[in-house]
Amino acid sequence: SSELTQDPAVSVALGQTVRITCQGDSLRGYYASWYQQKPGQAPVLVIYGKNNRPSGIPDRFSGSSSGNTASLTITGAQAEDEADYYCNSRDSSGNHLVFGGGTKLTVL
Amino acid sequence: EVQLVESGGGLVQPGGSLRLSCAASGFTFSSYAMSWVRQAPGKGLEWVSAISGSGGSTYYADSVKGRFSISRDNSKNTLYLQVNSLRAEDTAIYYCAKDATTVTFFVPGNWGQGTLVTVSS
Repeated sequence: SSELTQDPAVSVALGQTVRITCQGDSLRGYYASWYQQKPGQAPVLVIYGKNNRPSGIPDRFSGSSSGNTASLTITGAQAEDEADYYCNSRDSSGNHLVFGGGTKLTVL
Repeated sequence: EVQLVESGGGLVQPGGSLRLSCAASGFTFSSYAMSWVRQAPGKGLEWVSAISGSGGSTYYADSVKGRFSISRDNSKNTLYLQVNSLRAEDTAIYYCAKDATTVTFFVPGNWGQGTLVTVSS
């Protein structure tokens, strides 16, 4: 399968922890990457590989994976974390990149 | 500082062609795989194509294979996407992206601000 499935919307109270998930068969063999996109802006990579954060990404963002599910966890969500979040990974062939449909995160 | 600046987008009729460019600076361009990713208005992200640092390996989404062609000129630090036989469903912002590290592939790290391609008669 070449599909990655994300919940369309998730909400979290300010300061609480939220997990955003991404499901797909290819995740059994490839790590997911996670992107944050705010309205009118280009996506920003927040997690890649096993659990790597690019320079400048706060350590409240972390990634994990189990079976066919990858997760992005935000520990202590801030108002500025309100955004769309996309996962991606290679598909099962390894020769294509696939994005999930995105999750809109609302911080209450 | 990594900078990626896309250009070449615009309004084109169905069946038409464009050449998108992405001027890169602030890193050793030839050491990184590069990708094009697009986003239709109000929709999610869709990977389009990727190319290795040397340019020797290229990959395409099924939706564009045979119509789009990715290339790079490492002497000019520039990435290209030739888009042919355009359809209404190709209307999108086209982003170029640099891979996260010199050893990753298919991990778009830094992204440009995008160039809008509108296919309409």
